[in-house]
Amino acid sequence: AQSVTQPDIHITVSEGASLELRCNYSYGATPYLFWYVQSPGQGLQLLLKYFSGDTLVQGIKGFEAEFKRSQSSFNLRKPSVHWSDAAEYFCAVGPYSSASKIIFGSGTRLSIRP
Amino acid sequence: DADVTQTPRNRITKTGKRIMLECSQTKGHDRMYWYRQDPGLGLRLIYYSFDVKDINKGEISDGYSVSRQAQAKFSLSLESAIPNQTALYFCATSDGVVGSYNEQFFGPGTRLTVL
Repeated sequence: AQSVTQPDIHITVSEGASLELRCNYSYGATPYLFWYVQSPGQGLQLLLKYFSGDTLVQGIKGFEAEFKRSQSSFNLRKPSVHWSDAAEYFCAVGPYSSASKIIFGSGTRLSIRP
Repeated sequence: DADVTQTPRNRITKTGKRIMLECSQTKGHDRMYWYRQDPGLGLRLIYYSFDVKDINKGEISDGYSVSRQAQAKFSLSLESAIPNQTALYFCATSDGVVGSYNEQFFGPGTRLTVL
């Protein structure tokens, strides 16, 4: 069955430090992979997406993610976090079935230490 | 103006009441979705619609119904609200064009509390 696992429920990093959020997926075909961010009180905003080609994907706000097929992973990284990056981050995979739906992970909450 | 809007943004209601959450979009997308978000569970799909005449159940449709009044409008109803339907509800859209990879665009959410 298709699934997405985000093993870290909550991460705290210091402002200016590097960040890596983990995402592992289970999918029977070539996946489309997404990272969304949800700021407090806001909806979800797409950070980046991977469909094919270069396995290192650049997104908005200085984020990047690397697709590793052998590890079934799509980890999100940022070299230096800012206080405004505090939010919840969701990894998602799709499409599954002919309905082209996507599956979301349970999310990782990021806190920034001043 | 936001591309995907949801009304109301917050609602408190009592057990047994009928509630309707509304979603409108100006993106011209055919596909619309309703999700609920609960802490630690991520987003779970309630219903989705690929056009006005196409309505499909998601993974947690029990206790909910939907109406696609037009391409731009998709409403979610709780016929008789219960406390475990307290959650944050999101509407989303996608264009469904072959090759567009089904990127979804989200509204700001409706926080529903059932007492």
